[in-house]
Amino acid sequence: TQLLEQSPQFLSIQEGENLTVYCNSSSVFSSLQWYRQEPGEGPVLLVTVVTGGEVKKLKRLTFQFGDARKDSSLHITAAQPGDTGLYLCAGARGNEKLTFGTGTRLTIIP
Amino acid sequence: DVKVTQSSRYLVKRTGEKVFLECVQDMDHENMFWYRQDPGLGLRLIYFSYDVKMKEKGDIPEGYSVSREKKERFSLILESASTNQTSMYLCAGSRGYGYTFGSGTRLTVV
Repeated sequence: TQLLEQSPQFLSIQEGENLTVYCNSSSVFSSLQWYRQEPGEGPVLLVTVVTGGEVKKLKRLTFQFGDARKDSSLHITAAQPGDTGLYLCAGARGNEKLTFGTGTRLTIIP
Repeated sequence: DVKVTQSSRYLVKRTGEKVFLECVQDMDHENMFWYRQDPGLGLRLIYFSYDVKMKEKGDIPEGYSVSREKKERFSLILESASTNQTSMYLCAGSRGYGYTFGSGTRLTVV
C-alpha cells in the first residue's frame, strides 16, 4: 500500500497569516490531487498536478508538485476563515485508483 | 462535472441489520468508488467498479459487498451491520484525474 503522509496533522492560525502544508511519499505518482472537505460534506477537488515541478495557483492557494513527483505542497497566502477545513492530498499511479493522505485539519481564527 | 448523490445523510441501524447505502451519479461515467472515513485513519477504499456488473475489492472489503446493475448506481451493502462499521461513508465517481464525491452518509450502528 502506498503511503501519503501529510503534515502538519492540525494547524490553527490567525486570519491574514500565511501557511504551508505538505504531502510526502516514498512512491512516485503520475498525478497528485488536493481536496478540501468541510464538516458534514464530501471532499471537493481543488487541483490536479501532473508534471514534476509544476506549480498551479488558485486565487490565494499555490500548489506545487515536487520535481521527483513524490511530494507536494499547498501554500495559502493571507488565510481567511473560509479556508477552514480538512485538506487531503491524493496520488495516482497511471490509471490506478487514488491513494489518500490522512489530511491536515486547518482552522483559521478570525 | 459529475454529480454524485447519496440517498441518506444520516442513518442509525441496529447490530445485525442488513444495510443498503445508495449512490447515484448523473453522468455516463464508468468509475465509481466507496470509501469510509474515520478520524486518524483517513479515507479507506472499500470497493470500486470500473463498469456495470464489475466490482473489485479495495483495501478493507471485509463485511461489505456492492452491487452495480446500472452504470449510474453503485450500492454498498453491509450484510450484517456491526458497531465497528459506524463511520462516514463516501461515494465517488471519476472522469479523468479528479474524483467527485457525494455528501456522505454518516452511519451509526447501535
